[in-house]
Amino acid sequence: GAVVSQHPSRVICKSGTSVKIECRSLDFQATTMFWYRQFPKKSLMLMATSNEGSKATYEQGVEKDKFLINHASLTLSTLTVTSAHPEDSSFYICSASGSRYEQYFGPGTRLTVT
Amino acid sequence: GIQVEQSPPDLILQEGANSTLRCNFSDSVNNLQWFHQNPWGQLINLFYIPSGTKQNGRLSATTVATERYSLLYISSSQTTDSGVYFCAVEQFDDYKLSFGAGTTVTVRA
Repeated sequence: GAVVSQHPSRVICKSGTSVKIECRSLDFQATTMFWYRQFPKKSLMLMATSNEGSKATYEQGVEKDKFLINHASLTLSTLTVTSAHPEDSSFYICSASGSRYEQYFGPGTRLTVT
Repeated sequence: GIQVEQSPPDLILQEGANSTLRCNFSDSVNNLQWFHQNPWGQLINLFYIPSGTKQNGRLSATTVATERYSLLYISSSQTTDSGVYFCAVEQFDDYKLSFGAGTTVTVRA
């Protein structure tokens, strides 16, 4: 149990375009979902927290207009990177939490902006 | 914010060896989790252990909350144990995790 999927696993886009990443909890209802960013050989940095049906809460320094987060249902959250630039290239990971305190992580999405 | 320090940063083991990874945190926490990130980037839940001791196969973990540290033990290491091990803590009752910098483990055959 506690499986989280992400799609796509890898995406390459041109500078200036937008990219949407989906995060789904497959076998449980996720009241809270999280989005992280990880740079090579670095730890995970929390970007934002989203609760189903409400606006996401962004961490300090994260541009909410650039990283749009939607948590429309108890099993789906999306992260849209708008007007992507090369510095947005990174590994993006989502996690989901249900009734227990544990977080379960998706497999990640590697974004490359050319 | 809370500081989470993991040691050592890198660990090279011969297959079959035992090892201990440490996680220190600077303030009291509600929850603590250990993860293994495999070479493809997937984080795998190892333990949810805000206090006490747990074992799962060759892995075990102990958290001493009053002294603000947790230990992860790997026994009879295998090459598949290679990867980065992260400790993450939740300080307040808000589900947010703060991650340590990780310990990169390389197990050689």
